Amino acid sequence: DTEVTQTPKHLVMGMTNKKSLKCEQHMGHRAMYWYKQKAKKPPELMFVYSYEKLSINESVPSRFSPECPNSSLLNLHLHALQPEDSALYLCASSQDYSLFFGSGTQLSVL
Amino acid sequence: EDQVTQSPEALRLQEGESSSLNCSYTVSGLRGLFWYRQDPGKGPEFLFTLYSAGEEKEKERLKATLTKKESFLHITAPKPEDSATYLCAVRVNFGNEKLTFGTGTRLTIIP
Repeated sequence: DTEVTQTPKHLVMGMTNKKSLKCEQHMGHRAMYWYKQKAKKPPELMFVYSYEKLSINESVPSRFSPECPNSSLLNLHLHALQPEDSALYLCASSQDYSLFFGSGTQLSVL
Repeated sequence: EDQVTQSPEALRLQEGESSSLNCSYTVSGLRGLFWYRQDPGKGPEFLFTLYSAGEEKEKERLKATLTKKESFLHITAPKPEDSATYLCAVRVNFGNEKLTFGTGTRLTIIP
């Protein structure tokens, strides 16, 4: 099973809202990732968790707040987003550096 | 600075017309090259990992090869369902979990 599950699939939020994106994997992978992808662009790394600890933060604005409650779960908390934050948000996991991605959350900020 | 360049940017083929996609890289020390397929609005689907020059991997109509400066994704007798964006990515150092992605090749197979 190489499945990474993301919820919700679609999200529309206002600039004053607080919402969370969720990601789950049951492959026993030690690393989990958040990527952001704009249309017709490659994925851009946001955060990496390794063994449940934040190991990489790619200078992401504080309105994005990651959380790794346990080795299978990864959350991305969103607050006071801007319209330019609208994008496809991808979660991924890996064990031997081959990343497996979820299907993503398409986020629209109004 | 590490760079990954994919060409062509877009490719239209007739069904059954074989071709190759290119991924060239300039990195300080390659520790893995990855190919992904991505459908619109979906997450990238893992295809292959290559680690050393001369390595080849195959999956159905796809074959990936690696040299010291580039990788090719060969597609043989493609079908319309092979239409997608194909992304390559490189990892530079062991212990570095960051992948550097190319901008992708949008492949369209015409029935």
